[in-house]
Amino acid sequence: DGGITQSPKYLFRKEGQNVTLSCEQNLNHDAMYWYRQDPGQGLRLIYYSQIVNDFQKGDIAEGYSVSREKKESFPLTVTSAQKNPTAFYLCASRHWTAINYGYTFGSGTRLTVV
Amino acid sequence: QQQVKQSPQSLIVQKGGISIINCAYENTAFDYFPWYQQFPGKGPALLIAIRPDVSEKKEGRFTISFNKSAKQFSLHIMDSQPGDSATYFCAAGHSGGKLIFGQGTELSVKP
Repeated sequence: DGGITQSPKYLFRKEGQNVTLSCEQNLNHDAMYWYRQDPGQGLRLIYYSQIVNDFQKGDIAEGYSVSREKKESFPLTVTSAQKNPTAFYLCASRHWTAINYGYTFGSGTRLTVV
Repeated sequence: QQQVKQSPQSLIVQKGGISIINCAYENTAFDYFPWYQQFPGKGPALLIAIRPDVSEKKEGRFTISFNKSAKQFSLHIMDSQPGDSATYFCAAGHSGGKLIFGQGTELSVKP
């Protein structure tokens, strides 16, 4: 089955700790995205990557970092500089054909600060 | 220019009724307008999408209406069911670019 796998489903972070969220896709999509979702605030773009070894900041990149060493993988690190990291994190990849395009989302990782 | 404004923020509809969610955009370069459905604890999933060369697209009980001159589009859910209770996101984008999402509408369909 083709899709996007996010892991872990739940993650707990202690104050001052860096944590990494995994996102893997086997859809052969070039572009990948990370979003943060808070209640009532929709989807806010953290980082995105259109090709391997290249990525751009989104609207709320401060306190986060990413890498794109392989087409299939786009991990997100939540650093200690992110003061309010508790949220639901969504990874997506973009498909595009001559007919339409859109995003395929993973099932998300819920991060909680303890 | 890049914003997509979605309303209402929340919506309660009786079973069998019509649910209507509206979105407005600013960037006339946008040429793709999808709607996503998200259940609690899950990622959004593509529900239906439209391009600006048509004014309406229907898939089952779900219909997108598109008004290019007003830069508005809407989702209609006919014969709404409790299983339709979810958060709905509109989005807009142009080929090769990233999607811009609305703020989301939390729909609750009462039995």
